[in-house]
Amino acid sequence: AQRVTQPEKLLSVFKGAPVELKCNYSYSGSPELFWYVQYSRQRLQLLLRHISRESIKGFTADLNKGETSFHLKKPFAQEEDSAMYYCALIVSGAGSYQLTFGKGTKLSVIP
Amino acid sequence: DAGVIQSPRHEVTEMGQEVTLRCKPISGHDYLFWYRQTMMRGLELLIYFNNNVPIDDSGMPEDRFSAKMPNASFSTLKIQPSEPRDSAVYFCASSHPAGAEETQYFGPGTRLLVL
Repeated sequence: AQRVTQPEKLLSVFKGAPVELKCNYSYSGSPELFWYVQYSRQRLQLLLRHISRESIKGFTADLNKGETSFHLKKPFAQEEDSAMYYCALIVSGAGSYQLTFGKGTKLSVIP
Repeated sequence: DAGVIQSPRHEVTEMGQEVTLRCKPISGHDYLFWYRQTMMRGLELLIYFNNNVPIDDSGMPEDRFSAKMPNASFSTLKIQPSEPRDSAVYFCASSHPAGAEETQYFGPGTRLLVL
């Protein structure tokens, strides 16, 4: 079974400092990985997905199959980045669908 | 579109009572998902439907939990009887289509507190 690990429950950084939210996964096939974000009192929403290789709000994430990682990065943290971040792995095909979330990392950006 | 709608937004009940959470997916979406979020376990997928049919309920924690989707625009998650450990935020999400390229749209969640 697949698993997603976010080793940090809480990450505090100063404004302007680089941010890296770690995500490691275990899955033997080709994974589809996503980052979701939940701002205070808002809905959980998709931040980015690895297949599109987008940069959203300055965040990027690269899939490293050798290290089975999909870390979320931003060079300069902003106060509005404070939120809960969830890494997710989707396995789909042949009529089946499985989505596994990590437990989340709370990012706190200190002014 | 108003997005995924959930009701109630907050629910406080006593142990042993029946709780019903409701969800209206985005029109045209044929996948609907129920999630539970707790501090201890993070975000968990409970069950999902495709075209109103439950596909995978392996995430449903116990027989006390049941979910239905009588039509394309409505789903319920029921807990009977409720227990304090069921206290969590329950999210509903919908998408079309599901798969690697899908985007799930989440509702605002129902915050459940069982006393």
